[in-house]
Amino acid sequence: DTGVSQDPRHKITKRGQNVTFRCDPISEHNRLYWYRQTLGQGPEFLTYFQNEAQLEKSRLLSDRFSAERPKGSFSTLEIQRTEQGDSAMYLCASSQSITGGLNSSNQPQHFGDGTRLSIL
Amino acid sequence: AQKVTQAQTEISVVEKEDVTLDCVYETRDTTYYLFWYKQPPSGELVFLIRRNSFDEQNEISGRYSWNFQKSTSSFNFTITASQVVDSAVYFCALSERGGSNYKLTFGKGTLLTVNP
Repeated sequence: DTGVSQDPRHKITKRGQNVTFRCDPISEHNRLYWYRQTLGQGPEFLTYFQNEAQLEKSRLLSDRFSAERPKGSFSTLEIQRTEQGDSAMYLCASSQSITGGLNSSNQPQHFGDGTRLSIL
Repeated sequence: AQKVTQAQTEISVVEKEDVTLDCVYETRDTTYYLFWYKQPPSGELVFLIRRNSFDEQNEISGRYSWNFQKSTSSFNFTITASQVVDSAVYFCALSERGGSNYKLTFGKGTLLTVNP
């Protein structure tokens, strides 16, 4: 059973550089989420895809951040001109939407191991 | 706006003790979902349980049990006979149905340390 995969696990870069992270969701999952987690905090929602469509972006996602999910499969999250405040764990999660019934449409999100970003 | 509060920042117990992790939530939606996730030192968030707002029946799974009370907006998690392997950060989370994106709002987590 292949879970959510994220690459790289760790990224260290200098301030001002661009970075890109990749997420491979569970293959049959059509929903994909990005979250950011800083030390001592719970994950915070960044953005959400249903198939290839990006349907919501948090106010946390400044214009330096961009996410894509071409063909509704893997997703990338790019941060341009990184700042020290971008240092965090970036988590990807996926889930399957199911229509019909009370328990439909909100299957649990399964998370990857995350990418830890450190800005020097 | 939805909000989750985990008032206990850290809890330390000795192995075999029972421990309860508290979770209080706020939402305006009448249909919502509550979750618990475990984050061990390795970092991966592990799904433990999901409950919907229409089902207040308590649930037991092995040493884990969950007490959902809409009247107090609480969804507490009890570990019976704790073990060292239970040491982790535990997050309570909420998602509302109304928004249809089902994004999760997490509490700040409770760090549980089980000492041998």
